[in-house]
Amino acid sequence: AQTVTQSQPEMSVQEAETVTLSCTYDTSESDYYLFWYKQPPSRQMILVIRQEAYKQQNATENRFSVNFQKAAKSFSLKISDSQLGDAAMYFCACNTGANSKLTFGKGITLSVRP
Amino acid sequence: GAVVSQHPSWVICKSGTSVKIECRSLDFQATTMFWYRQFPKQSLMLMATSNEGSKATYEQGVEKDKFLINHASLTLSTLTVTSAHPEDSSFYICSAGKGSKETQYFGPGTRLLVL
Repeated sequence: AQTVTQSQPEMSVQEAETVTLSCTYDTSESDYYLFWYKQPPSRQMILVIRQEAYKQQNATENRFSVNFQKAAKSFSLKISDSQLGDAAMYFCACNTGANSKLTFGKGITLSVRP
Repeated sequence: GAVVSQHPSWVICKSGTSVKIECRSLDFQATTMFWYRQFPKQSLMLMATSNEGSKATYEQGVEKDKFLINHASLTLSTLTVTSAHPEDSSFYICSAGKGSKETQYFGPGTRLLVL
């Protein structure tokens, strides 16, 4: 069984600043995928970024990047130049592919101060 | 792209009635779809895995007879909440992926209120 832990329930960042959201996971699988999803007030789940475990290079999507530390089983999300529209709940998730199920963390609520 | 739709987005029903929620993958085929339930400010709770052409796989604690799932085609899965009660009021979300370990794409969700 896999677990995903997001220990910070809330964070706040000043507009235009950088913020890092933490996530740790545990799985016995060697082949897995990691994701960050964003859920704004509309509650639509939006894929932010994904990382294949076999890739050493950290994934990047515009202002979003990850710090993937495989040995430490850590997968943090960095948001640069934070914008008001980044305010949302963020979920870290892991998919080992054994049955394609996603395991989610509890989520973190990010607020952006103007 | 990969778009998943859900219908209806909002439903209000009386206690004791049944409600059907549809989940469609609009631009790809999905052999597997997933149904989640989410309470406010909480994470997604997986209810069941919907497999095209076969029976759904339910998570522990989820009543099969209460939450009927049908995956009739590669683009459509339905969740029927039978004999709904106020405690079934929640936000229900479906997701679909293009293949094993692939990214899951989510529908916009359905808000169910049972009076």
